[in-house]
Amino acid sequence: GQNIDQPTEMTATEGAIVQINCTYQTSGFNGLFWYQQHAGEAPTFLSYNVLDGLEEKGRFSSFLSRSKGYSYLLLKELQMKDSASYLCAVRDSLGGGGNKLTFGTGTQLKVEL
Amino acid sequence: ETGVTQTPRHLVMGMTNKKSLKCEQHLGHNAMYWYKQSAKKPLELMFVYNFKEQTENNSVPSRFSPECPNSSHLFLHLHTLQPEDSALYLCASSQDQGRRNYEQYFGPGTRLTVT
Repeated sequence: GQNIDQPTEMTATEGAIVQINCTYQTSGFNGLFWYQQHAGEAPTFLSYNVLDGLEEKGRFSSFLSRSKGYSYLLLKELQMKDSASYLCAVRDSLGGGGNKLTFGTGTQLKVEL
Repeated sequence: ETGVTQTPRHLVMGMTNKKSLKCEQHLGHNAMYWYKQSAKKPLELMFVYNFKEQTENNSVPSRFSPECPNSSHLFLHLHTLQPEDSALYLCASSQDQGRRNYEQYFGPGTRLTVT
């Protein structure tokens, strides 16, 4: 079976740093994705990790530990526009074609003044 | 038009109606997907098409019927739906080649309400 866990909600202050954790237990693993979804909008791609370690992209960084089934998304210098839901998704090992993702329920981040 | 488009954006239908959702991608991708997003639940994969061939049906009830006439267009035909089918239906596409992990690009979704 597939199980992906992330906190339901988080609150942080503008200008601060926030870390959103994701743990997973999946039957296969072929990469972990983070998406951002503003209310009423489509999810947009933020980052991808397939090897252990940290991937940095501007104010956003994502970390992966495959042995621990753990990832986090780090957001620095928070802005009000970062208030959104952050979705963690795992790609299963390939089988039958297609790019099959299993998503967590998402973490609703609220950035306050 | 750029990216992934979906029509209609909002749909209200009765349980005896038949309607279709349309998705079009302008990215030259070969794989397309339907997802269901309900409140407080994870995005749920419904169907996957790769080069027009269905490669995944995630135990979706037969009242949902997908159609993929070519790599750019994807439809979801709906009939005799239930109120619990009310949700946001998202279409996505990706360039899926071998073992490379290309990200999925999502459309804005169709907000479906079944009355």
